[in-house]
Amino acid sequence: DTEVTQTPKHLVMGMTNKKSLKCEQHMGHRAMYWYKQKAKKPPELMFVYSYEKLSINESVPSRFSPECPNSSLLNLHLHALQPEDSALYLCASSQIRELYNEQFFGPGTRLTVL
Amino acid sequence: KQEVTQIPAALSVPEGENLVLNCSFTDSAIYNLQWFRQDPGKGLTSLLLIQSSQREQTSGRLNASLDKSSGRSTLYIAASQPGDSATYLCAAPSFSSGSARQLTFGSGTQLTVLP
Repeated sequence: DTEVTQTPKHLVMGMTNKKSLKCEQHMGHRAMYWYKQKAKKPPELMFVYSYEKLSINESVPSRFSPECPNSSLLNLHLHALQPEDSALYLCASSQIRELYNEQFFGPGTRLTVL
Repeated sequence: KQEVTQIPAALSVPEGENLVLNCSFTDSAIYNLQWFRQDPGKGLTSLLLIQSSQREQTSGRLNASLDKSSGRSTLYIAASQPGDSATYLCAAPSFSSGSARQLTFGSGTQLTVLP
């Protein structure tokens, strides 16, 4: 099973709302990632978790708050977002091994901020 | 800082043609490189992970090569089909030190295979 699942598929929220994105994998991967992708652009790394600890934060605004409750689950909490935050949010996971760390992506959550 | 470039940005070919997509990277201190496919509005599908110790990696009609010394990778697609139409992205790690790998993506090649 090489599946990463993400919920919801689509999300529309106002600038004052609080919402969360969820990502799950059952491949035993101990690294999990959040990416943001704008139309016609490549994915941009936001956060990396290694062994359930935040290891990389790519200077992401505090209105995005990641959480890794356990080794299979990754959340992204959203609060007071701006319209420019509208994008496809992708989750990925991988093993933590130098040679065999292929990243597997979920289908993404399409976020629209009104 | 790793920088990844893909050329061409877009490619349109008739069905049945063999084609090559190019990827170049600036930091050659990598253990591997990954190729992805992305359909419009969808997530990324991993196609191939090629290790630096390998010259080539094959999966079906796809063949990827990696030349660390020149900072280049190519993805060869044989006998292209309309179903191959998608954006192809290559991604090189910025570091690989036993912890999670930070990928830098190229801008992608948008492939259209005409029936």
